[in-house]
Amino acid sequence: DTAVSQTPKYLVTQMGNDKSIKCEQNLGHDTMYWYKQDSKKFLKIMFSYNNKELIINETVPNRFSPKSPDKAHLNLHINSLELGDSAVYFCASSQTGFFSGNTIYFGEGSWLTVV
Amino acid sequence: DQQVKQNSPSLSVQEGRISILNCDYTNSMFDYFLWYKKYPAEGPTFLISISSIKDKNEDGRFTVFLNKSAKHLSLHIVPSQPGDSAVYFCAASGANTGNQFYFGTGTSLTVIP
Repeated sequence: DTAVSQTPKYLVTQMGNDKSIKCEQNLGHDTMYWYKQDSKKFLKIMFSYNNKELIINETVPNRFSPKSPDKAHLNLHINSLELGDSAVYFCASSQTGFFSGNTIYFGEGSWLTVV
Repeated sequence: DQQVKQNSPSLSVQEGRISILNCDYTNSMFDYFLWYKKYPAEGPTFLISISSIKDKNEDGRFTVFLNKSAKHLSLHIVPSQPGDSAVYFCAASGANTGNQFYFGTGTSLTVIP
C-alpha cells in the first residue's frame, strides 16, 4: 500500500489553465505538506496543514490554494498557470509536532509542465 | 534564505569504496537531522536520522556524523554499491521550527561498478 499517494504523476497543460493535484495519506498522520522542487533541485516547502488547518504558508503566489477536506487529504489547486510553475510538486505527511524520531514521508511527486 | 546547504551537487565513487556526503546548516536551533534518498521519478525516502544529543548514528552500511560546533553533518556509505546511486538530501528540524523540515539542494551520488 502506498503511504502517501498523489495524482496525477505527470501533467502537461497550457498557460492560463487551472489545475489540481490531489494527495492522500494512509499513515494516520495529522500534518501534511506540499513541497516544490524547482529546476535548481531545491526542495522548498509551500504549505503545511495540521488537522485541516493551515499552519505554514511560505511565500507562494495566491494562485496556489491548498484545500484539506480532512486530515488524510491535502489537495493543491493552481489557478492561471504560468511557465514558471513548471516543477515537481511533492506531497508529504508527518506526525504532529517536533520530536526526535519524527519522519516526513513523501509521495512520488507530480511533474507539472506548463507550455 | 537557505538554512541547509549541500555544497557538492554531485559525487562519483568506485564500487566498494566509501561515499561521504556533506551537509551544513546555519540555524543553531536545529537539533534533529535526517537524510533522504531519491531515485529518479520517485519521491524522497527516509534513510537515517540523528538527534543532536548524539554525534554518530549507524544503520548497516550507513553512518551519519554530527558536528554541532561546526554545524556540519555527513553521511558515510561503506561499502558503496551501484544501487546507492541516487540523489541524497539532508534535512533539519528543531523545536522552534514547528512542523517544518528544511531541506538541502541534494547531492547526486554515482557509484561506478
